[in-house]
Amino acid sequence: GENVEQHPSTLSVQEGDSAVIKCTYSDSASNYFPWYKQELGKGPQLIIDIRSNVGEKKDQRIAVTLNKTAKHFSLHITETQPEDSAVYFCAASPNFGNEKLTFGTGTRLTIIP
Amino acid sequence: GAGVSQSPSNKVTEKGKDVELRCDPISGHTALYWYRQSLGQGLEFLIYFQGNSAPDKSGLPSDRFSAERTGGSVSTLTIQRTQQEDSAVYLCASSKNRGLAGQETQYFGPGTRLLVL
Repeated sequence: GENVEQHPSTLSVQEGDSAVIKCTYSDSASNYFPWYKQELGKGPQLIIDIRSNVGEKKDQRIAVTLNKTAKHFSLHITETQPEDSAVYFCAASPNFGNEKLTFGTGTRLTIIP
Repeated sequence: GAGVSQSPSNKVTEKGKDVELRCDPISGHTALYWYRQSLGQGLEFLIYFQGNSAPDKSGLPSDRFSAERTGGSVSTLTIQRTQQEDSAVYLCASSKNRGLAGQETQYFGPGTRLLVL
């Protein structure tokens, strides 16, 4: 089955700087890669996703890159703000997401004011 | 519109008792997923419904766990003879899932926090 590894497990960044979180996956059949943000006491919320036919996707301060050959994908947050502090999870799924998601173990991001 | 809702939000039970957790998906969403999140861990897949049928039950950890979905809407996850290791947050997600790009997004509920004493 699919195995997703996520690094780092914790990340502290000065406000205004950039944050990068990296994930690797094992199953070459995976072709859908969402990123979720989870705040304390809440369920995960989708912030951006990418499909395997695209190498990069941007949405304002958030971008995701995908390297299919190396089987890794990354989340980039620029101009970080205090409200970006949360736990971020990457995930992978085959069949363009119409099946279960396999999640990474999460990254606790802290933005230092 | 309303998002995914789950009840109860918190449940404390004694070891050996049965518990039922409920999920109300977003209206019109055909796919429903249950995940478990243990303290400080990622999300672990339990079971997936397409309509009322469960094509993938591979994540259920033991035969004490079961789930059903009726009317293509509400789902119930039942844990029998609860054990302390069952303590976790149980998350439900739903998606439109009609095989079209952009309809696969899984929207999560707030979860049920289960504590088995």
